[in-house]
Amino acid sequence: NAGVTQTPKFQVLKTGQSMTLQCAQDMNHNSMYWYRQDPGMGLRLIYYSASEGTTDKGEVPNGYNVSRLNKREFSLRLESAAPSQTSVYFCASSDLGTAYGYTFGSGTRLTVV
Amino acid sequence: GESVGLHLPTLSVQEGDNSIINCAYSNSASDYFIWYKQESGKGPQFIIDIRSNMDKRQGQRVTVLLNKTVKHLSLQIAATQPGDSAVYFCAETPYNQGGKLIFGQGTELSVKP
Repeated sequence: NAGVTQTPKFQVLKTGQSMTLQCAQDMNHNSMYWYRQDPGMGLRLIYYSASEGTTDKGEVPNGYNVSRLNKREFSLRLESAAPSQTSVYFCASSDLGTAYGYTFGSGTRLTVV
Repeated sequence: GESVGLHLPTLSVQEGDNSIINCAYSNSASDYFIWYKQESGKGPQFIIDIRSNMDKRQGQRVTVLLNKTVKHLSLQIAATQPGDSAVYFCAETPYNQGGKLIFGQGTELSVKP
């Protein structure tokens, strides 16, 4: 049982480049989330999808877009990467739009130079 | 705005002692609280949770206390072990907001052998 799988684990981008972070869960959860974590800080919500077909902005959505491809997959796209987006990105999923059973992936460490 | 914060950024304890990590939250509408443990290079790992209609909940070597009057949450770890060394985050989820988690800054627990 893999839980929440994120790819890639590490990535270095040049300013202005684009990329997509992939996330997939195999727990049949309805809700999925993207967070970023900066040094010495807690996680901050970027975007979330309460259920398949819906997406909503979180606390820090600027510079990002998301796609809920199907129930299993939720991707995060950086259209034009900036150094301020250097961070560790975590995907998570939960059941029924609540925090019960929240499960996090292992993270993607992104550096923008 | 909504926020969850921790009183102490670092905590150093002797192996075998009990640890207490504190957290203050500001959103009185939050109905569910979770403590996470995060080891270096990994995603947050669920430790214990508590609903707003409870004051105390116990797990294996861990206890969470909730004081809604002063909006305070604490995590008690009994007989702290070196493997408990990590950063601990409290998180709250406001009622009926799609399972979004609001994280505190985190406390780094260091266990001395």
